[in-house]
Amino acid sequence: DTGVSQNPRHKITKRGQNVTFRCDPISEHNRLYWYRQTLGQGPEFLTYFQNEAQLEKSRLLSDRFSAERPKGSFSTLEIQRTEQGDSAMYLCASTPGGMGDISGNTIYFGEGSWLTVV
Amino acid sequence: AQRVTQPEKLLSVFKGAPVELKCNYSYSGSPELFWYVQYSRQRLQLLLRHISRESIKGFTADLNKGETSFHLKKPFAQEEDSAMYYCALSPYSGNTGGFKTIFGAGTRLFVKA
Repeated sequence: DTGVSQNPRHKITKRGQNVTFRCDPISEHNRLYWYRQTLGQGPEFLTYFQNEAQLEKSRLLSDRFSAERPKGSFSTLEIQRTEQGDSAMYLCASTPGGMGDISGNTIYFGEGSWLTVV
Repeated sequence: AQRVTQPEKLLSVFKGAPVELKCNYSYSGSPELFWYVQYSRQRLQLLLRHISRESIKGFTADLNKGETSFHLKKPFAQEEDSAMYYCALSPYSGNTGGFKTIFGAGTRLFVKA
């Protein structure tokens, strides 16, 4: 399978603990996105990278959240001091497009990482 | 503000009946619009995009800028069309030269035999 890969697929953690999710995008995809999805809602944009540069962060992303894409390949999303409200599916996605390239704007999603904070 | 609204959370139709999933958007520029679909136990995937002007699995969607709508239609629904459908908007972010995609809350389509 050469699609977007995410791990772990499921994570149960106690409130106050830190968690980290990893995303491996499709090879040579320049853009990488993180979304959050809760029951009954569509994916909510969190942040995205153009290669290694983090170009935009949603106001949903509090200071407890940090995302990195150090070499422009895989990305990590860390949540510090987790709260019960952080329980959600965290989706990673990638797309081939370069800067200003509208033709490569179709998003390819991973299967998501479920986080449950107890 | 950029926003995508899907007014129906659930749409139930009989097999062979026409189906229309509604989507309205709010965006001041020229948007790029998509429909994504999630079948049971599968990942979210692209169904169609408005700039392609193509029909995928019998579905079409027309961008109506006057009504700011991008409704998804199919003349004869099939049981295998049962899935979660998300309308999405991709505005151009001039400051960064990049794009983000905003999704609606989704409509679950249930096609009954």
